[in-house]
Amino acid sequence: EPEVTQTPSHQVTQMGQEVILRCVPISNHLYFYWYRQILGQKVEFLVSFYNNEISEKSEIFDDQFSVERPDGSNFTLKIRSTKLEDSAMYFCASSYYVGTGPTDTQYFGPGTRLTVL
Amino acid sequence: AQKITQTQPGMFVQEKEAVTLDCTYDTSDQSYGLFWYKQPSSGEMIFLIYQGSYDEQNATEGRYSLNFQKARKSANLVISASQLGDSAMYFCAMREGIEDSNYQLIWGAGTKLIIKP
Repeated sequence: EPEVTQTPSHQVTQMGQEVILRCVPISNHLYFYWYRQILGQKVEFLVSFYNNEISEKSEIFDDQFSVERPDGSNFTLKIRSTKLEDSAMYFCASSYYVGTGPTDTQYFGPGTRLTVL
Repeated sequence: AQKITQTQPGMFVQEKEAVTLDCTYDTSDQSYGLFWYKQPSSGEMIFLIYQGSYDEQNATEGRYSLNFQKARKSANLVISASQLGDSAMYFCAMREGIEDSNYQLIWGAGTKLIIKP
């Protein structure tokens, strides 16, 4: 069964460093997302991406963050100048479609645990 | 106001019993989707079941069913014949404003379910 994959599973970085989190969405999906979950807190939406551009972003997704689809398979989240409060689990998700049916379902990768020291 | 409310922070259930996890939502949109996800201790986010606002029948997926009461704005997850492997966090999520190209999932705080042998 097709699945979303994410690398690395765990990333440790020093405050102020840049990190790139990588995702390979399900191959025939068209919509891609990043969410984060700070330990013990709710899942928070960061950004959605369709047709090579951002379709929606939250207030969290400021100039520190950027997304890119550098080729036909990868989808990346870059965090510039990481802060302690960026420590969280980052989930990539993809969906085939955005609409009013089951094809709207977002399937999640296993997550990347980012630790900023 | 909370968009998704899960009132049960934690639940203990005896193995093989049925369990109902509560979820109420708040939206003024006519078109929306409701989702349940399972997050085991390993951290991944697993899609369980989907209910569209226009679906007249309650969704079912194997041992999972969704008790959708639109007038009461509730979307409770029912797990029949619980198993030890069902022990996990369970999240209710909503995608509202579908007709306005609103892509993000809004999440509840989750319910930690522990199945006792």
